Amino acid sequence: KNQVEQSPQSLIILEGKNCTLQCNYTVSPFSNLRWYKQDTGRGPVSLTIMTFSENTKSNGRYTATLDADTKQSSLHITASQLSDSASYICVVRDDRGSTLGRLYFGRGTQLTVWP
Amino acid sequence: EAQVTQNPRYLITVTGKKLTVTCSQNMNHEYMSWYRQDPGLGLRQIYYSMNVEVTDKGDVPEGYKVSRKEKRNFPLILESPSPNQTSLYFCASSFRQTLSRSYNEQFFGPGTRLTVL
Repeated sequence: KNQVEQSPQSLIILEGKNCTLQCNYTVSPFSNLRWYKQDTGRGPVSLTIMTFSENTKSNGRYTATLDADTKQSSLHITASQLSDSASYICVVRDDRGSTLGRLYFGRGTQLTVWP
Repeated sequence: EAQVTQNPRYLITVTGKKLTVTCSQNMNHEYMSWYRQDPGLGLRQIYYSMNVEVTDKGDVPEGYKVSRKEKRNFPLILESPSPNQTSLYFCASSFRQTLSRSYNEQFFGPGTRLTVL
């Protein structure tokens, strides 16, 4: 069964600290993995996307890694800011060739950054 | 500005009273989708549309209808809403995935918070 599991479910850190969020998936065949940031009451916004051949991708203070062999991804946030408080959602697309691959959503990690 | 818009943003209604949530995108996207988001469950797909007049069920389609008469619009219809449809609803759109364009980002609307009493 294709699934996406995220951990931890919630996380509280102090402003300026680093943190790492985890995503494990069983989706196969794999096409790509995307991390979204969702602020409270708003729609998700894409942070990074990685394909099978990519190990790491950065977007400012956000760095995503992918290990396609172990089917694990992580999102590392450096020097956290109050505005990083949000839910971070891992989304994996399967590979169905020329047709639209299906998206599998993790349940998200709720990050709270305290001053 | 490229965007996905939803209306209304907030809605309180009563059981059985038909309602429609509109979704519109101005990016010429072929693919559009509706999701509901509930605490602890994450985003779950209700219906999606690959193009005009082409729609299909997602994971939780019961109690919902959709139509795609125009490329830019994808309304979500609740013929007889029930309290278990109280949720946060998101519309999203993207270009259709092809062999040469497999990594299309889905752009999400701002959400519609629906309460069914």
